Amino acid sequence: DVVMTQTPLSLSVTPGQPASISCKSSQSLLHSDGKTYLYWYLQKPGQSPQLLIYELSSRFSGVPDRFSGSGSATDFTLKFSRVEAEDVGVYYCMQGIHLPYTFGQGTNLEIK
Amino acid sequence: EVQLVESGGVVVQPGGSLRLSCAASGFTFGDYSMHWVRHAPGKGLEWVSLISWDDKSAYYADSVKGRFNISRDNSKNSLYLEMKSLRIEDTALYYCVKGDRAGLMDVWGQGTTVTVSS
Repeated sequence: DVVMTQTPLSLSVTPGQPASISCKSSQSLLHSDGKTYLYWYLQKPGQSPQLLIYELSSRFSGVPDRFSGSGSATDFTLKFSRVEAEDVGVYYCMQGIHLPYTFGQGTNLEIK
Repeated sequence: EVQLVESGGVVVQPGGSLRLSCAASGFTFGDYSMHWVRHAPGKGLEWVSLISWDDKSAYYADSVKGRFNISRDNSKNSLYLEMKSLRIEDTALYYCVKGDRAGLMDVWGQGTTVTVSS
């Protein structure tokens, strides 16, 4: 199975400051169709997970543009241009090209 | 409004069986693949299973393969997860999730809790 490794596992950020989360996959997530099947999900406290970024860098409907995704075939980054209080929660990367799909361990973002 | 409502989660003894259900509304259920994802206490998200829109293909995490069976009834807008030989480590909140292409999971239910305990 593909192993997804996130760093850091915990992040404390002052509102208004930038931040980033890294994710690495043990296999390439680049498909022959040219798309990279890497997703970012956020689970806010007490809520169900929600999709933030799909196919490496596309923001899902309604996701603020302060979130951006980037990376290569095996190394990925979720960037916050400026963190806001509502961004608190656990962020997961997930690969969706090799079955079984697999998530990273999660990164807990807290606000200072 | 697109909605997924899970049910069927209970407390069950190790080795027992259980069937989870998910009622979908607000979208053309039969056009989309569907997933189950679980969240065990103190752990991260774990993808469990996927079924194609036409019920012809199903896939499972290694941890549940041979014990869980995913199915759907497009005439009833419903998704199911049959769980057998349950283990303590199957204790989790189980989410029903609407899929799109590949791993894109865009609508999540509120979850139903399965507790495996003696």
